[in-house]
Amino acid sequence: EDKVVQSPLSLVVHEGDTVTLNCSYEVTNFRSLLWYKQEKKAPTFLFMLTSSGIEKKSGRLSSILDKKELFSILNITATQTGDSAIYLCAVENRAGGGADGLTFGKGTHLIIQP
Amino acid sequence: EPEVTQTPSHQVTQMGQEVILRCVPISNHLYFYWYRQILGQKVEFLVSFYNNEISEKSEIFDDQFSVERPDGSNFTLKIRSTKLEDSAMYFCASRAEQFFGPGTRLTVL
Repeated sequence: EDKVVQSPLSLVVHEGDTVTLNCSYEVTNFRSLLWYKQEKKAPTFLFMLTSSGIEKKSGRLSSILDKKELFSILNITATQTGDSAIYLCAVENRAGGGADGLTFGKGTHLIIQP
Repeated sequence: EPEVTQTPSHQVTQMGQEVILRCVPISNHLYFYWYRQILGQKVEFLVSFYNNEISEKSEIFDDQFSVERPDGSNFTLKIRSTKLEDSAMYFCASRAEQFFGPGTRLTVL
């Protein structure tokens, strides 16, 4: 059974701090790892990672995947109160030929204090 | 920017009733998914749909659930006889990077 473990489960920092969120996974036939941000309702797509060592960046957010050690990190620099959310990590299994659903972790609840 | 849409945003139903949750995936996507998230818990995969048939389904997706693409644009999830434990947010998603719709909150009384 595919498994995704995120840490920490919750994190409180001050505005301007840099945070690193962790995601480790076990999946039988890895296709991709995805990061989402969930505020009030639906998860919002952030990144999809398929290859090791290639950093993906979007503004103050960046992420990288290590397929040998089976983990990914999501970095947020110069945090703002609008970054407060639950950050979800999910993995996709290759076995279904592209149709497999994602297996999600429990998420990291990030709170940015002004 | 194209987006997945879902209706209704909130549905309240009585236990034992049938509900149909509707989704309009992004138009050129080929894979469609339903997920659910019980309050305070993680997002769980229910079913994926490709080429007008179910590709994968989880243990949660039992005989009470069914999916359909009735008209080439809508993608529906039907729950035949709702139970209290079906109360959750139901998200539809479509490939490629699985952009999520805003969700439908189902409350079963």
